[in-house]
Amino acid sequence: GAGVSQSPSNKVTEKGKDVELRCDPISGHTALYWYRQSLGQGLEFLIYFQGNSAPDKSGLPSDRFSAERTGGSVSTLTIQRTQQEDSAVYLCASSFQVSSGANVLTFGAGSRLTVL
Amino acid sequence: RKEVEQDPGPFNVPEGATVAFNCTYSNSASQSFFWYRQDCRKEPKLLMSVYSSGNEDGRFTAQLNRASQYISLLIRDSKLSDSATYLCVVNKDTGRRALTFGSGTRLQVQP
Repeated sequence: GAGVSQSPSNKVTEKGKDVELRCDPISGHTALYWYRQSLGQGLEFLIYFQGNSAPDKSGLPSDRFSAERTGGSVSTLTIQRTQQEDSAVYLCASSFQVSSGANVLTFGAGSRLTVL
Repeated sequence: RKEVEQDPGPFNVPEGATVAFNCTYSNSASQSFFWYRQDCRKEPKLLMSVYSSGNEDGRFTAQLNRASQYISLLIRDSKLSDSATYLCVVNKDTGRRALTFGSGTRLQVQP
């Protein structure tokens, strides 16, 4: 597609419920990232996928969080047993993989999660 | 100490003013540096990369000081449309491609 697509754009859920957030990256981008941004805060790295390599999960805050990327394209971030502190905007980004240095990220519009 | 630190602002400046933001990073092995711009309730977008020799893009100038571990962004002749939050971004680990974002500096340009 023309850009990174995320769904849903807004999600309100009750504490304890599971949620799934979806990201469809730019076609041809091999790297995919999830970040989250709490109100008035910076971006917090969650997880990074690159091709068929094992994902970098070092940013996931707890074992309630998991993500997968099927077929090297679409990714789903799952939060189990949601807590109020999980409320944030979840941003997905994709990029080409460069041979050195850092990738330039293109972000989706985000999924705003509110846990009541 | 945060990995990437920025003055949160807000910086309130009149149109036409020159404004500068600084950002410090803690990991001396950091390799790549960027400024992203984030409008209110929007996603971040790349403004410019920061090169060792300093670089300019129109009214925007970015500089890197590796010895002191800080990055700066200078905006000349500010426009109302420059109002946004400016995020300092660093590649913390050469072995990991994910970027570390600062919390951002908010700029409000006033008529």
